[in-house]
Amino acid sequence: AQSVTQLDSHVSVSEGTPVLLRCNYSSSYSPSLFWYVQHPNKGLQLLLKYTSAATLVKGINGFEAEFKKSETSFHLTKPSAHMSDAAEYFCVVSDLGSDKLIFGTGTRLQVFP
Amino acid sequence: DTEVTQTPKHLVMGMTNKKSLKCEQHMGHRAMYWYKQKAKKPPELMFVYSYEKLSINESVPSRFSPECPNSSLLNLHLHALQPEDSALYLCASSQDPGGVRTTDTQYFGPGTRLTVL
Repeated sequence: AQSVTQLDSHVSVSEGTPVLLRCNYSSSYSPSLFWYVQHPNKGLQLLLKYTSAATLVKGINGFEAEFKKSETSFHLTKPSAHMSDAAEYFCVVSDLGSDKLIFGTGTRLQVFP
Repeated sequence: DTEVTQTPKHLVMGMTNKKSLKCEQHMGHRAMYWYKQKAKKPPELMFVYSYEKLSINESVPSRFSPECPNSSLLNLHLHALQPEDSALYLCASSQDPGGVRTTDTQYFGPGTRLTVL
Protein backbone atom coordinates (compact mmCIF):
# COMPACT_ATOMS: atom_id res chain seq x y z
CA ALA A 1 0.00 0.00 0.00
CA GLN A 2 1.15 3.49 -0.74
CA SER A 3 1.82 6.00 1.99
CA VAL A 4 3.66 9.25 2.54
CA THR A 5 5.24 10.56 5.72
CA GLN A 6 6.21 14.17 6.06
CA LEU A 7 8.57 14.16 8.97
CA ASP A 8 8.02 17.75 10.13
CA SER A 9 4.66 19.42 10.62
CA HIS A 10 6.33 22.84 10.97
CA VAL A 11 9.63 24.22 9.71
CA SER A 12 10.87 27.72 10.48
CA VAL A 13 13.78 29.38 8.71
CA SER A 14 15.20 32.85 8.34
CA GLU A 15 15.03 34.59 5.00
CA GLY A 16 18.10 33.78 2.92
CA THR A 17 18.86 30.48 4.68
CA PRO A 18 18.40 26.99 3.17
CA VAL A 19 15.10 25.12 3.30
CA LEU A 20 14.76 21.36 3.82
CA LEU A 21 11.34 19.70 3.92
CA ARG A 22 11.52 15.97 4.48
CA CYS A 23 9.36 13.29 2.90
CA ASN A 24 9.49 9.49 3.01
CA TYR A 25 7.24 7.31 0.92
CA SER A 26 6.11 3.74 0.64
CA SER A 27 4.98 2.34 -2.67
CA SER A 28 4.55 -1.14 -4.06
CA TYR A 29 5.35 -0.24 -7.64
CA SER A 30 7.24 2.39 -9.54
CA PRO A 31 6.00 5.58 -7.92
CA SER A 32 5.39 9.04 -9.22
CA LEU A 33 6.23 11.64 -6.59
CA PHE A 34 5.13 15.25 -6.40
CA TRP A 35 5.55 18.30 -4.24
CA TYR A 36 2.68 20.78 -4.15
CA VAL A 37 2.54 24.13 -2.39
CA GLN A 38 -0.58 25.78 -0.99
CA HIS A 39 -0.60 29.41 0.06
CA PRO A 40 -3.30 30.48 2.55
CA ASN A 41 -6.82 30.23 1.12
CA LYS A 42 -5.50 29.16 -2.27
CA GLY A 43 -5.49 26.02 -4.36
CA LEU A 44 -2.52 23.70 -4.77
CA GLN A 45 0.31 24.58 -7.12
CA LEU A 46 2.69 21.96 -8.52
CA LEU A 47 6.29 22.61 -7.51
CA LEU A 48 7.89 19.58 -9.14
CA LYS A 49 7.34 15.98 -10.19
CA TYR A 50 9.49 12.84 -10.26
CA THR A 51 8.76 10.18 -12.87
CA SER A 52 12.00 8.12 -12.97
CA ALA A 53 13.71 10.16 -15.69
CA ALA A 54 16.26 11.76 -13.36
CA THR A 55 16.75 11.45 -9.63
CA LEU A 56 17.35 15.17 -9.10
CA VAL A 57 14.28 17.10 -10.08
CA LYS A 58 14.25 20.86 -10.49
CA GLY A 59 11.02 22.73 -9.92
CA ILE A 60 9.69 26.22 -9.93
CA ASN A 61 10.86 29.10 -7.70
CA GLY A 62 14.28 27.55 -7.10
CA PHE A 63 13.03 24.38 -5.41
CA GLU A 64 14.45 20.96 -6.15
CA ALA A 65 14.04 17.45 -4.80
CA GLU A 66 16.16 14.31 -4.93
CA PHE A 67 14.66 10.84 -5.28
CA LYS A 68 16.61 8.32 -3.20
CA LYS A 69 15.21 4.84 -3.70
CA SER A 70 17.48 3.22 -1.11
CA GLU A 71 16.20 5.63 1.53
CA THR A 72 12.63 5.85 0.10
CA SER A 73 12.94 9.61 0.43
CA PHE A 74 12.02 12.60 -1.69
CA HIS A 75 13.15 15.64 0.30
CA LEU A 76 12.48 19.16 -0.96
CA THR A 77 15.23 21.77 -0.78
CA LYS A 78 15.87 25.38 -1.68
CA PRO A 79 19.21 27.13 -1.20
CA SER A 80 17.82 30.44 -0.01
CA ALA A 81 14.37 31.02 1.47
CA HIS A 82 12.24 33.97 0.48
CA MET A 83 9.39 35.46 2.47
CA SER A 84 6.99 34.45 -0.30
CA ASP A 85 7.89 30.77 0.30
CA ALA A 86 5.85 30.76 3.52
CA ALA A 87 3.07 28.26 2.81
CA GLU A 88 1.92 24.67 3.33
CA TYR A 89 3.84 22.02 1.39
CA PHE A 90 2.46 18.60 0.51
CA CYS A 91 4.48 15.58 -0.57
CA VAL A 92 2.37 13.29 -2.76
CA VAL A 93 2.83 9.76 -4.11
CA SER A 94 0.96 7.86 -6.75
CA ASP A 95 1.49 4.47 -8.30
CA LEU A 96 2.08 4.19 -12.04
CA GLY A 97 -1.15 4.54 -13.95
CA SER A 98 -3.21 5.45 -10.91
CA ASP A 99 -5.48 8.48 -10.80
CA LYS A 100 -5.32 8.53 -7.02
CA LEU A 101 -2.88 10.81 -5.23
CA ILE A 102 -1.80 9.94 -1.71
CA PHE A 103 -1.05 13.11 0.23
CA GLY A 104 1.26 13.56 3.18
CA THR A 105 -0.08 15.49 6.15
CA GLY A 106 1.72 18.65 5.07
CA THR A 107 4.57 20.81 6.36
CA ARG A 108 3.96 24.42 7.23
CA LEU A 109 6.97 26.55 6.29
CA GLN A 110 7.46 29.81 8.14
CA VAL A 111 10.04 32.31 6.93
CA PHE A 112 11.25 35.02 9.31
CA PRO A 113 12.87 38.27 8.17
CA ASP B 1 -2.17 27.71 -19.88
CA THR B 2 -2.66 25.40 -16.90
CA GLU B 3 -5.68 27.09 -15.41
CA VAL B 4 -8.61 25.46 -13.69
CA THR B 5 -11.33 27.88 -12.67
CA GLN B 6 -13.90 27.40 -9.92
CA THR B 7 -17.02 29.34 -9.07
CA PRO B 8 -18.13 30.64 -6.71
CA LYS B 9 -15.10 31.53 -4.57
CA HIS B 10 -17.21 31.53 -1.41
CA LEU B 11 -20.59 29.98 -0.66
CA VAL B 12 -22.71 30.12 2.47
CA MET B 13 -25.74 27.86 2.57
CA GLY B 14 -28.29 26.54 5.00
CA MET B 15 -28.86 22.86 5.61
CA THR B 16 -32.04 22.87 3.51
CA ASN B 17 -30.59 24.68 0.51
CA LYS B 18 -29.61 23.28 -2.86
CA LYS B 19 -26.54 24.77 -4.48
CA SER B 20 -23.93 23.84 -7.07
CA LEU B 21 -20.20 24.28 -7.42
CA LYS B 22 -18.74 24.69 -10.87
CA CYS B 23 -15.32 23.82 -12.26
CA GLU B 24 -14.00 24.49 -15.74
CA GLN B 25 -10.81 23.75 -17.67
CA HIS B 26 -9.88 24.40 -21.29
CA MET B 27 -6.65 22.43 -21.45
CA GLY B 28 -8.16 19.44 -23.21
CA HIS B 29 -7.76 17.31 -20.08
CA ARG B 30 -9.79 14.12 -19.96
CA ALA B 31 -9.89 13.55 -16.21
CA MET B 32 -11.46 15.81 -13.61
CA TYR B 33 -11.53 15.48 -9.83
CA TRP B 34 -13.32 16.81 -6.76
CA TYR B 35 -11.47 17.04 -3.45
CA LYS B 36 -12.59 18.17 -0.01
CA GLN B 37 -10.07 19.89 2.25
CA LYS B 38 -10.68 20.63 5.91
CA ALA B 39 -8.57 23.23 7.72
CA LYS B 40 -4.97 22.19 8.34
CA LYS B 41 -5.50 18.84 6.55
CA PRO B 42 -4.50 17.50 3.15
CA PRO B 43 -7.11 17.25 0.40
CA GLU B 44 -9.32 14.14 0.37
CA LEU B 45 -10.43 12.69 -2.95
CA MET B 46 -14.20 12.59 -3.47
CA PHE B 47 -14.85 11.80 -7.14
CA VAL B 48 -12.95 11.18 -10.37
CA TYR B 49 -14.39 11.54 -13.85
CA SER B 50 -12.43 9.91 -16.63
CA TYR B 51 -13.52 10.62 -20.20
CA GLU B 52 -16.72 12.13 -18.77
CA LYS B 53 -17.65 8.97 -16.89
CA LEU B 54 -17.54 8.58 -13.12
CA SER B 55 -14.63 6.26 -12.44
CA ILE B 56 -14.02 6.74 -8.72
CA ASN B 57 -16.47 7.55 -5.93
CA GLU B 58 -14.75 7.47 -2.56
CA SER B 59 -17.90 6.49 -0.65
CA VAL B 60 -19.11 10.08 -0.56
CA PRO B 61 -22.57 10.70 0.99
CA SER B 62 -25.40 11.09 -1.53
CA ARG B 63 -25.96 14.70 -0.49
CA PHE B 64 -23.01 15.37 -2.81
CA SER B 65 -23.86 14.67 -6.44
CA PRO B 66 -21.25 15.16 -9.17
CA GLU B 67 -22.01 15.82 -12.80
CA CYS B 68 -19.77 16.07 -15.86
CA PRO B 69 -21.79 17.63 -18.70
CA ASN B 70 -18.80 17.71 -21.06
CA SER B 71 -15.05 17.27 -21.05
CA SER B 72 -14.42 20.85 -19.91
CA LEU B 73 -16.98 21.19 -17.16
CA LEU B 74 -17.50 19.54 -13.79
CA ASN B 75 -20.26 20.35 -11.32
CA LEU B 76 -20.87 19.34 -7.73
CA HIS B 77 -24.50 19.56 -6.67
CA LEU B 78 -25.11 20.04 -2.96
CA HIS B 79 -28.31 19.25 -1.08
CA ALA B 80 -29.16 18.92 2.61
CA LEU B 81 -25.60 19.43 3.73
CA GLN B 82 -24.45 19.30 7.33
CA PRO B 83 -22.27 21.85 9.15
CA GLU B 84 -19.41 19.33 9.13
CA ASP B 85 -19.42 19.58 5.32
CA SER B 86 -17.98 23.09 5.62
CA ALA B 87 -14.60 22.98 3.89
CA LEU B 88 -12.58 24.11 0.89
CA TYR B 89 -13.70 22.19 -2.20
CA LEU B 90 -11.00 21.80 -4.79
CA CYS B 91 -11.35 20.78 -8.41
CA ALA B 92 -8.45 19.38 -10.41
CA SER B 93 -7.86 18.08 -13.91
CA SER B 94 -5.26 15.92 -15.64
CA GLN B 95 -4.53 15.12 -19.23
CA ASP B 96 -4.34 11.37 -19.52
CA PRO B 97 -6.25 9.38 -16.92
CA GLY B 98 -4.73 6.03 -16.01
CA GLY B 99 -1.66 6.76 -18.07
CA VAL B 100 0.52 3.72 -18.62
CA ARG B 101 3.86 5.51 -18.59
CA THR B 102 3.47 7.84 -15.68
CA THR B 103 0.93 9.30 -13.32
CA ASP B 104 -0.39 12.43 -14.89
CA THR B 105 0.01 15.76 -13.14
CA GLN B 106 -3.15 17.07 -11.58
CA TYR B 107 -3.72 20.81 -11.88
CA PHE B 108 -5.82 22.35 -9.15
CA GLY B 109 -8.24 25.22 -9.14
CA PRO B 110 -8.33 27.87 -6.39
CA GLY B 111 -11.22 26.19 -4.61
CA THR B 112 -14.64 27.13 -3.29
CA ARG B 113 -14.84 27.92 0.42
CA LEU B 114 -18.14 26.41 1.58
CA THR B 115 -19.80 27.27 4.88
CA VAL B 116 -22.91 25.33 5.94
CA LEU B 117 -24.98 26.99 8.64
